[in-house]
Amino acid sequence: SYELTQPPSVSVSPGQTASLTCSGEKLRDVYASWYQQKPGQLPVLVSYQDDRRPSGIPERFSGSSSANTATLTISGTQIMDEAVYYCQGWDRNIVVFGGGTKLTVL
Amino acid sequence: EVQLVASGGGLVQPGGSLRLSCVASGFTLSDYWVSWVRQTPGRGLEWVATIKQDGSEKYYMDSVKGRFSISRDNAKNSVFLQMSGLKAEDTAVYSCARDWNYGFNLWGRGTVVTVSS
Repeated sequence: SYELTQPPSVSVSPGQTASLTCSGEKLRDVYASWYQQKPGQLPVLVSYQDDRRPSGIPERFSGSSSANTATLTISGTQIMDEAVYYCQGWDRNIVVFGGGTKLTVL
Repeated sequence: EVQLVASGGGLVQPGGSLRLSCVASGFTLSDYWVSWVRQTPGRGLEWVATIKQDGSEKYYMDSVKGRFSISRDNAKNSVFLQMSGLKAEDTAVYSCARDWNYGFNLWGRGTVVTVSS
């Protein structure tokens, strides 16, 4: 197995850009996905295959990946974006999630 | 409405067994790989198992191998997770999720499994 590491928390002011990172050696070889989870709700896929955005996800969410780090960038962060964000990798049918980052917008 | 609904959770003693079910509606489940994912406040999201469309391939996280078994009945648009030899650390909310492009694009409302004496 392998590990994906995320910072426990990130804070950002409304309207600013939030950068959430996910690191792990396997990210050099596997795609990263990102999920947004608000309290009491199911996770929502906001980015997949490193940098692709599912239909219905606002353009302010963008994913990227370089070397051993994947990044989810939220441009013009809104209050409604406050949530826990999880990264996830998929390698040879073994799936790993990061520990999650609590994004606070204040 | 496109959705997944998990059920079958409950309170079970250590060493006991449970069978979870996941039923799909609004789409054809047999078109997709399907996974079970569990969540706890302390460990966050943990992938548990995955099954291919026709059931010919199955994969498990290391800690459940030999104890859990994933299966499906495409005629009933359903996927199952048979859990045996349950341990306290298996306590979690279990959700099923639809696999898509190396991610999960649809999650089902979870079912709570509590392993305790």
